[in-house]
Amino acid sequence: GAVVSQHPSRVICKSGTSVKIECRSLDFQATTMFWYRQFPKQSLMLMATSNEGSKATYEQGVEKDKFLINHASLTLSTLTVTSAHPEDSSFYICRVSFHNEQFFGPGTRLTVL
Amino acid sequence: EDQVTQSPEALRLQEGESSSLNCSYTVSGLRGLFWYRQDPGKGPEFLFTLYSAGEEKEKERLKATLTKKESFLHITAPKPEDSATYLCAVYDYKLSFGAGTTVTVRA
Repeated sequence: GAVVSQHPSRVICKSGTSVKIECRSLDFQATTMFWYRQFPKQSLMLMATSNEGSKATYEQGVEKDKFLINHASLTLSTLTVTSAHPEDSSFYICRVSFHNEQFFGPGTRLTVL
Repeated sequence: EDQVTQSPEALRLQEGESSSLNCSYTVSGLRGLFWYRQDPGKGPEFLFTLYSAGEEKEKERLKATLTKKESFLHITAPKPEDSATYLCAVYDYKLSFGAGTTVTVRA
């Protein structure tokens, strides 16, 4: 069964709006979750590391004010794309690490019109 | 800096035509090498974890092997449903991905 879930699976929004994506760890508690972005025919690019109870750490080139991350509990991390623009359209995937094993969510397809 | 290189970039196979995918890596302290399968529009699906050179794992038509410098994913007698992008990643407290190999199996 699924270890990691994401919601929604796909979302279409107008330019300028904000979109929240949820990532849930279903089988175990996760103090750390990871957010990736994947453009068509490209591999996964790490955006940020979400830490429960503290600030997220962002990879170079990722705007922290645009991609807000909240890790409010040991099973839930949220990624909010603020003031989304068409160039933010992508496939967003979260990952959970547990005892050196790496589990990915099913992904969220974001389309910004 | 960890580096992961997958080859070939794309692989077109006839059903039943066995082949291998390569994942070459450089990492300071390997804590695991992962193989994933990714279908279009979906998140990566876990296939195997390999931890040390010489280790092998099998699952249906797939077999993964590991040396100190590379890993191979062997596909034996593939079927059209094996068509997907196969991703390799190395873990050294940070997960580094290769670009993937897109496999297309024709009936």
